[in-house]
Amino acid sequence: AQSVTQLDSQVPVFEEAPVELRCNYSSSVSVYLFWYVQYPNQGLQLLLKYLSGSTLVKGINGFEAEFNKSQTSFHLRKPSVHISDTAEYFCAVSLPQGAQKLVFGQGTRLTINP
Amino acid sequence: SQTIHQWPATLVQPVGSPLSLECTVEGTSNPNLYWYRQAAGRGLQLLFYSVGIGQISSEVPQNLSASRPQDRQFILSSKKLLLSDSGFYLCAWSGQGGSTDTQYFGPGTRLTVL
Repeated sequence: AQSVTQLDSQVPVFEEAPVELRCNYSSSVSVYLFWYVQYPNQGLQLLLKYLSGSTLVKGINGFEAEFNKSQTSFHLRKPSVHISDTAEYFCAVSLPQGAQKLVFGQGTRLTINP
Repeated sequence: SQTIHQWPATLVQPVGSPLSLECTVEGTSNPNLYWYRQAAGRGLQLLFYSVGIGQISSEVPQNLSASRPQDRQFILSSKKLLLSDSGFYLCAWSGQGGSTDTQYFGPGTRLTVL
């Protein structure tokens, strides 16, 4: 079975500062990796995904993530955050076959302070 | 373009009452459909998924059930709600490309069981 651990439940950052949200996963087989964002009382929106190929993945809103197989990590980064980035961020994995059954981490609440 | 609808947006129900949440997708055909639950302070958990009409797979044992009476309609039901059924219920769809496809989430239904 697969599992996802998001190491920080809350991350406060000042506006225009860089941020890294950490995600580690556990799986005995290869997986696909995803980052989703959830704004208050809304559904989830895909930020980026890693399926194969280049380990550095660029997504929407200036976010990027790097897949590190040896460390089983998929950390999300942004060089300069904005107030509008305040949201909850979820890391997820799925198996590369069949229907896409996502296994999510517990989420990281990113708060941007002016 | 594709859109996904969920209703109701919010629901307050007494313990022991029945439940019916509805999800519909527009602008696509033969989608994969998913129900997730997000409990307070926790990540998202996949409850059910469907790859076609009448085809339902359950991921966790519980007192909930799902049905897919039409291609783009997915219903989550319960005969008798428990306090532990409270949470934010999200419906999602993806194309038939399987695990490489992006999942698109609906706006969610917030269920409070009293």
